[in-house]
Amino acid sequence: NAGVTQTPKFQVLKTGQSMTLQCAQDMNHEYMSWYRQDPGMGLRLIHYSVGAGITDQGEVPNGYNVSRSTTEDFPLRLLSAAPSQTSVYFCASSSRDSRTDTQYFGPGTRLTVL
Amino acid sequence: ILNVEQSPQSLHVQEGDSTNFTCSFPSSNFYALHWYRWETAKSPEALFVMTLNGDEKKKGRISATLNTKEGYSYLYIKGSQPEDSATYLCAVPNDYKLSFGAGTTVTVRA
Repeated sequence: NAGVTQTPKFQVLKTGQSMTLQCAQDMNHEYMSWYRQDPGMGLRLIHYSVGAGITDQGEVPNGYNVSRSTTEDFPLRLLSAAPSQTSVYFCASSSRDSRTDTQYFGPGTRLTVL
Repeated sequence: ILNVEQSPQSLHVQEGDSTNFTCSFPSSNFYALHWYRWETAKSPEALFVMTLNGDEKKKGRISATLNTKEGYSYLYIKGSQPEDSATYLCAVPNDYKLSFGAGTTVTVRA
C-alpha cells in the first residue's frame, strides 16, 4: 500500500515552460486535492476533486489546470510557469468527505521556476 | 476560504516541559476542525479531527480541546520531547475546501 505518491520530487523550470505534476493514490479515495506551501503562508488549496470527472477551484487556481479521469490519478498542470509558482506542492486525498475525513498527504514536489 | 489563525507562530520549549498553542476560526457554520503534525522534510500527518463542542482528543502526550461557540481549539503537548519538534497545523472546512492556518512551529530543546 503506497498511499499517496507524487512525481517528480524536484523540478526546475524556466519561465514560460509547462509541465505536469503527477499524483496518484491507491486507497480508493474519492476526494483529492492540490496545495502549495509557501513560507509563512501555510497550505493553500489550488484545486480539488470530489470524484472522478469532477474538479473545482480552490483558493489559488490561476495558472494551474487539473483533471480527474480516474479515481486514482489527479495531475496538476502548470500552463506557463512563472517565478511566482516557485513553491512546494502537496497532493492529498481523503476517503469521501474532506470535511471530516483525515487527509493523507503525498511527499511533495519542490518546484523552482527561474 | 475561511480565516484560520494560529498563535504563536513559533515557540521554544525545554525538554520535559509542557506547552500549548491556539487555533482560532470563525464560529459560525462550524463543521469540523483538523490538527496535523508536520515534521521537517516530511509531509503533514493527521493528529485529530474534531467535530463536537467540548470535544477532547488525546494521542500519547498530545491532546486537543475544541470550543466551537467561541471559535478556538487548543493543542497541548505534555512533557515535550525532542521528537515533538514540528510544525502543527490546524484546518477548518468550508464546503469541501480545507482552509489551513499558517502553523505553530515547536522546537524542543534538549
